[in-house]
This record gives sequence, C-alpha cells and structure tokens, in this order.
Amino acid sequence: EPEVTQTPSHQVTQMGQEVILRCVPISNHLYFYWYRQILGQKVEFLVSFYNNEISEKSEIFDDQFSVERPDGSNFTLKIRSTKLEDSAMYFCASRPPQGNTIYFGEGSWLTVV
Amino acid sequence: SQQGEEDPQALSIQEGENATMNCSYKTSINNLQWYRQNSGRGLVHLILIRSNEREKHSGRLRVTLDTSKKSSSLLITASRAADTASYFCATVHSGGSNYKLTFGKGTLLTVNP
Repeated sequence: EPEVTQTPSHQVTQMGQEVILRCVPISNHLYFYWYRQILGQKVEFLVSFYNNEISEKSEIFDDQFSVERPDGSNFTLKIRSTKLEDSAMYFCASRPPQGNTIYFGEGSWLTVV
Repeated sequence: SQQGEEDPQALSIQEGENATMNCSYKTSINNLQWYRQNSGRGLVHLILIRSNEREKHSGRLRVTLDTSKKSSSLLITASRAADTASYFCATVHSGGSNYKLTFGKGTLLTVNP
C-alpha cells in the first residue's frame, strides 16, 4: 500500500542551525501538509501546500519556516535557525485530489540542543 | 480554537472489554476523522464520518456523530492488547484549498491483557 515516507526519522541539531526535513508524499496526491507534535501534546497544523504554493499556514509557521516542492516527488520543510522550542515530531501528510482522507508519514523527531 | 476536548484523557480497560472515547468540537464541520498513534509513531487513519452521517462502522470500530451536540464518539469493541495507543479525533471545517485537520488532545487507551 502506498505510504508517505519521511527522512530522517530522528535528527539532533544545535540551536541556531538550519534543518531540512524531507518527505515523499503518496504519488498521485496533490495536497501536502506539515504538522508537528511537541512531546505529550496534541498534533498542530503548520502549513498546507497545493499547486506549488502555500494554501494556508498557522501562527507557528513564522519566517523561520519554509516549504518547497523541489521536484515531482519531494516535499521539504526547512527551519532556518532552530530554537530549543522547535524540538518536536514533525509529520508530513498528503491527500489525493478527490479524497477526504489525509495520510500521514511516520514522522521525523527533531531534537534541538 | 475550532477544536474542543476529548475525554477521557486516559482510559484503562481489560482485554475483551469495549472502549468508548468522546470528542467535542466548537464550530461546524465538513467531516470528522479518527486517528490512532502508537507511542512515538505516526498517525494511522481509522475512519472518516461526514457531517451528514450519524454512524459508521469499520470492523471493530463504530463512530457516531451528533452535529447538534458537536460531538463524536469512537467505540472499539472486544478490545485487544494491541489496541493500546493514543486515539485522536480531528475535524475538517473548510473545503478546497483550506482543507486541513484540527486535532484534539487525544485519549490514551491502555488495554491490559
């Protein structure tokens, strides 16, 4: 069964460093998302992406964050200068063109030290 | 916030018993989806119920939706130890390019063998 794949599964980075989290959405999907989950808390929406542009972003998604679909398969989340509070599990998700279900990847654990 | 609370926050039952988890929301929805998350893992989609549906079944899962009370419940029948996980409801309030999930805080279900 097709699935959303994310790399890396876990990354430790120094505060102030740039991080890129990578995702390969399900191949025929057109809507892409990033969510995050701070340990022990609920899953929070960061950004949605369609037709090569951001559809919607939350207050969390400030100027330190950016997304890109550099080619036909990858969807990346970049954090320019990481802060301690960016430590969280980051989930990529995608949705098919005519579907209502959003499918999530296994997540990337980001630890900022 | 468009999302309310789930209750209970934690539920511990014996194998074979039924587990019921509830979810409330604040504003009208397009659909409501339930997800499962094993500790430290990704979000697995369980079931979707549309705003014009009242009940839906999938295997041992039964979901109800009461739009007048802005609430939903997830019933897992004949629970198994492998059902131990966190269960989240997530609501969709808008369609088109603003289609996204808003998650509740989740219920941690422990099924004791």
